Amino acid sequence: EPEVTQTPSHQVTQMGQEVILRCVPISNHLYFYWYRQILGQKVEFLVSFYNNEISEKSEIFDDQFSVERPDGSNFTLKIRSTKLEDSAMYFCASSDVAGGGYQETQYFGPGTRLLVL
Amino acid sequence: AQKVTQAQTEISVVEKEDVTLDCVYETRDTTYYLFWYKQPPSGELVFLIRRNSFDEQNEISGRYSWNFQKSTSSFNFTITASQVVDSAVYFCALSEAGGAAGNKLTFGGGTRVLVKP
Repeated sequence: EPEVTQTPSHQVTQMGQEVILRCVPISNHLYFYWYRQILGQKVEFLVSFYNNEISEKSEIFDDQFSVERPDGSNFTLKIRSTKLEDSAMYFCASSDVAGGGYQETQYFGPGTRLLVL
Repeated sequence: AQKVTQAQTEISVVEKEDVTLDCVYETRDTTYYLFWYKQPPSGELVFLIRRNSFDEQNEISGRYSWNFQKSTSSFNFTITASQVVDSAVYFCALSEAGGAAGNKLTFGGGTRVLVKP
């Protein structure tokens, strides 16, 4: 069964460093997303991406964040200068389009646990 | 704005007991989708069910069942005859904006279910 994959599974970085989190969405999906979950808290939406551009972004997704689909399979989240509060689990998700253009299920990857020291 | 409330933060049961997880949502849209995801201790988010706002029929899948009541804006989830493997955090989520593809999910705070042998 197709699945979303993410690398790395864990990343430790120093405050101020740049990190790139990588995702391979399910191959025929058209919509891509990043969410984050601070330890013990709810899952929060960061950004959605369709047709090579950002569809929607949350208040969390400030100028320090960027997303890219560098080729036909990868979808990346870059944090330019990490802060302590960026420590969280980052989930990538992808979805197709249901009939009539309606929301299809978002399938999540296993997550990347980011720790900023 | 959309909102999802899971009032129960933690539920502890003994194996074979039934457990019901409450989910109450708020939305101004008439077309929307509701989801349940399971997050086991390993951390990934596993899709369980997707339901659109026009389909109030209850659903059963094995030991899982869902009760959608538009009149009370609730989408409750019951695990029948719980097992230790059901121990996880369960999240309810809402996607609105007319139910169109690519819309973000808004998650509730999650309910941690602990099933004791």
